[in-house]
Amino acid sequence: QQQVKQSPQSLIVQKGGISIINCAYENTAFDYFPWYQQFPGKGPALLIAIRPDVSEKKEGRFTISFNKSAKQFSLHIMDSQPGDSATYFCAARNFGNEKLTFGTGTRLTIIP
Amino acid sequence: KAGVTQTPRYLIKTRGQQVTLSCSPISGHRSVSWYQQTPGQGLQFLFEYFSETQRNKGNFPGRFSGRQFSNSRSEMNVSTLELGDSALYLCASSLRRGSEQYFGPGTRLTVT
Repeated sequence: QQQVKQSPQSLIVQKGGISIINCAYENTAFDYFPWYQQFPGKGPALLIAIRPDVSEKKEGRFTISFNKSAKQFSLHIMDSQPGDSATYFCAARNFGNEKLTFGTGTRLTIIP
Repeated sequence: KAGVTQTPRYLIKTRGQQVTLSCSPISGHRSVSWYQQTPGQGLQFLFEYFSETQRNKGNFPGRFSGRQFSNSRSEMNVSTLELGDSALYLCASSLRRGSEQYFGPGTRLTVT
């Protein structure tokens, strides 16, 4: 059972544009939602994370929007740059449980 | 502060053999989790160790096992290797259970 659905599978955005990746979850016990960035040949790197008591969190050009009632959250990358080209994974975790349940990933390509 | 380190980075084994992978967490981190990453199944949780005890286990056969030492370093072992075990094996560490998880670069295992 896939508990975290991620879309789109791939995304092409022009330099300077906004990249938006969406995730939806089923398990209402999830209480921590991180986003990871992965470059080829590297491990996932933690970008930004949110807990369900806030609706938005911003760190630099990266923003997470969280909709608890819809059980959805999304990553927005403002002023997208070629260096942002990577695969992005959303994830979710239960309170008191270290297990991260990952989405299927989005391959983001930023074109000049 | 040094990140999570994993050794070896690359490994080629033959079907039926066994393999041991090693993970050194970020200094001071006490929780270590292991994940398997494949193109078909994505990122899947294997198990988590804290204070030398396995706290959670994913849906993998008993051929997959692990342990954690008193210095928080962890090893995972896969016995009787199968072709389908070819994957990137990732280790993640966190300061304590429930905090942010940081991934290492992974060990690329190829089973022939």
